Order: sequence, then structure tokens, then C-alpha cells
Amino acid sequence: QQPVQSPQAVILREGEDAVINCSSSKALYSVHWYRQKHGEAPVFLMILLKGGEQKGHEKISASFNEKKQQSSLYLTASQLSYSGTYFCGTDFSGGYNKLIFGAGTRLAVHP
Amino acid sequence: SAVISQKPSRDICQRGTSLTIQCQVDSQVTMMFWYRQQPGQSLTLIATANQGSEATYESGFVIDKFPISRPNLTFSTLTVSNMSPEDSSIYLCSVDSHDEQYFGPGTRLTVT
Repeated sequence: QQPVQSPQAVILREGEDAVINCSSSKALYSVHWYRQKHGEAPVFLMILLKGGEQKGHEKISASFNEKKQQSSLYLTASQLSYSGTYFCGTDFSGGYNKLIFGAGTRLAVHP
Repeated sequence: SAVISQKPSRDICQRGTSLTIQCQVDSQVTMMFWYRQQPGQSLTLIATANQGSEATYESGFVIDKFPISRPNLTFSTLTVSNMSPEDSSIYLCSVDSHDEQYFGPGTRLTVT
């Protein structure tokens, strides 16, 4: 079952913050976050393996609420380079990393 | 991380023909995956390919249509058989490296 991502699209000015959510109706083993720019392959951002886990990567961080079966990606002080489509990939296979991806969130950062 | 290459990068094929897509990784990996992505859409997992065993297909995908080979730990092929215009898509391979998944650049397939 495909996880639900929200919002579908976000428009930001440079320096603004955004939150992208990913929720599942099934128990998750892990959540993976990717960014894809137009015409390019998805790029791995981070993986969250355990409930309550939080990770950070530059000004991008994420959390994983195992009980609520959801994850959130936090983009702070956004930069033009953050523009792209963000996908969450959920692993229901117990660690085999067979990912089911959400529909994606399109993020546009303007000067 | 892992560096992945795919061949061809794009192709235009006639309906009824078959195309084999190659995926090469710069390091040995156990698990490789094949995805399909329609332009502007999400990624859909086609199958998982482990070296030394039969590929495992997801619901809606069958071996006769998408045969996969995995002859060693750095290489895999996906064949799109008896193509129709509905097979037009971007096909990507990915590998799992220490729980992180990396994608190849993709093969853009157009079926006329």
C-alpha cells in the first residue's frame, strides 16, 4: 500500500522552512527519503530505522514516529538547490529494503 | 555509496519488440531492484534481483513480460518483452548498500 505524502506541492522563498509528511496504514520497518530533480535519478537523503529516530543532513532533518506510522522531513532555511520532488520510500518487507514510494511532494524554492 | 550505470540511456522501439536494459555497479552488492517511473509520477517497484536466485516480482509484474538476469554481484539486466505503448516509461535500477539505496540514471523508453 502506497504511503500518503502531504502536501502535494510547496512553494517557498529562500530561507523559509517546510515540512513534508509521509504516513502509512501499515506498520513500517523503515522510512527512506529521496530528492529527485527533473531528468535525474532520485538521490538518497536519509533512512530512519527505529521509532523515535531523528536524523539530520545539513539543514534537512527527519523524524520517524513508529506508533503513528509516519515520518516527517524538515527543510529549514531553504536554499534554491532544495528544489525538486521529495519521495518517501517505505519498507514493509522487514529490512529487505523493497521500497514502496509515496506520490511525491514537489518543492519549488524561489529567490 | 555506489556508482551505477545503465545502458541504453534512452531508446525508441516499435511495438511487439523487446529491449534489454543493462545495469552495472562499481561494487559487489547483494540486492538489486528494478523500478519503473512514468514522467512526473512516483517510482513503482517491478522486481528484486538477488544473485544466484530467481527474481521476485511485485504484484502486476510477471516474469514473461519482464525477465531479469543477475549473473553476478555487479550486473543485472531487465528485458521489456513484446512492448506496447503502455510500456513507455523510465526504467531505473537501484542497489542496496548498507541499508542505503542508490539509483542508476535510468533508461527512457518510448514505444511507438
